[in-house]
Amino acid sequence: AQKITQTQPGMFVQEKEAVTLDCTYDTSDPSYGLFWYKQPSSGEMIFLIYQGSYDQQNATEGRYSLNFQKARKSANLVISASQLGDSAMYFCAMREGYNAGNNRKLIWGLGTSLAVNP
Amino acid sequence: DGGITQSPKYLFRKEGQNVTLSCEQNLNHDAMYWYRQDPGQGLRLIYYSQIVNDFQKGDIAEGYSVSREKKESFPLTVTSAQKNPTAFYLCASSMERGISTDTQYFGPGTRLTVL
Repeated sequence: AQKITQTQPGMFVQEKEAVTLDCTYDTSDPSYGLFWYKQPSSGEMIFLIYQGSYDQQNATEGRYSLNFQKARKSANLVISASQLGDSAMYFCAMREGYNAGNNRKLIWGLGTSLAVNP
Repeated sequence: DGGITQSPKYLFRKEGQNVTLSCEQNLNHDAMYWYRQDPGQGLRLIYYSQIVNDFQKGDIAEGYSVSREKKESFPLTVTSAQKNPTAFYLCASSMERGISTDTQYFGPGTRLTVL
């Protein structure tokens, strides 16, 4: 079963508008972290924002914010005031708390392709 | 300027040849990782290393080998035993605080094509 699900293969947004990229996750570990990365066409994976399972407030980083709904196991990325440079693939990833066997890996979704239209 | 460098950016290899991908970081991070990305898929972990002279297999280690002789360097060798090596390879590093908050930072990647 997928531990990270990104249901939107592709999204379009008009420049200067806000857009929400969906991410749902599945874990029984009470301690986990959720990450969003941006991958432009050049290929580099760029870290955007982090949300911890015990964080009381939603994370924000500039134009990026995370709509964290723990009971629903969702961690949606909100990009405000979209720019042309935001066109890229966006990946949601989870890292569970350390325990024997989880090898500290990030578990990745399949990504959402975002296109910003001028 | 702190960061992670990978070389080369593009690499072509003939079937049956081993090839080594370079990854260097000057972030003073303890942990380093190698991921493989195929079209339409998320990243899959090949190997990771928490400290010098130690490394662990990830989910798809078969056909790959690594070494960690220096903190800054974590080269990946794609051997001829890897049946389908054409892919995009990403190297990452993190401070390795051993908790879920540990953030991984990535290099620019190497695109390997087997001819």
